Amino acid sequence: GQQVMQIPQYQHVQEGEDFTTYCNSSTTLSNIQWYKQRPGGHPVFLIQLVKSGEVKKQKRLTFQFGEAKKNSSLHITATQTTDVGTYFCAGRSNTGKLIFGQGTTLQVKP
Amino acid sequence: EPEVTQTPSHQVTQMGQEVILRCVPISNHLYFYWYRQILGQKVEFLVSFYNNEISEKSEIFDDQFSVERPDGSNFTLKIRSTKLEDSAMYFCASSVNPAGGNTIYFGEGSWLTVV
Repeated sequence: GQQVMQIPQYQHVQEGEDFTTYCNSSTTLSNIQWYKQRPGGHPVFLIQLVKSGEVKKQKRLTFQFGEAKKNSSLHITATQTTDVGTYFCAGRSNTGKLIFGQGTTLQVKP
Repeated sequence: EPEVTQTPSHQVTQMGQEVILRCVPISNHLYFYWYRQILGQKVEFLVSFYNNEISEKSEIFDDQFSVERPDGSNFTLKIRSTKLEDSAMYFCASSVNPAGGNTIYFGEGSWLTVV
């Protein structure tokens, strides 16, 4: 079945450093979504990417969708302590099912 | 902002007991989902539901699981005979439709502990 792999599993950075998490799918995705989950919280939708090669920005967050629509990345510039959490990518099927990656847990040291 | 609400927030149950987790999806949404997350692991799809029937389910969603929309507002997940490995956070989610461009909104989760 379809699998979505995400690396790294954990990342510890100093506040102000950049952070990137990478997502790879075993199959071509119709679209990919990114979620953030704070410790003890629920997944919160961040963004959806649909087009091949698409790049979207949300303030310090930059999301990319690969040309082949099989990989994606999330880059945070100049991390802040409020960025702490686990970032999940999820491929979405035509039936609406989300296949989540394992997530990357970001720790930011002040 | 509209939200998906779930009850209970936490339930402790004995192995072998039946559990019902309740969800109230966002009112104009038509597609409903259950996901689970074992502590420290990724979020896993269980089942999707549309038009009063299951539209898709994962291999996790075996015969001990069932879903129901009993009254047009609630969406429930029943676990018939709980096992220790059913201990997890269960998230309900809903969307307007399954197509891209429509956000899936997650509830805050029901934490199930089976002892």
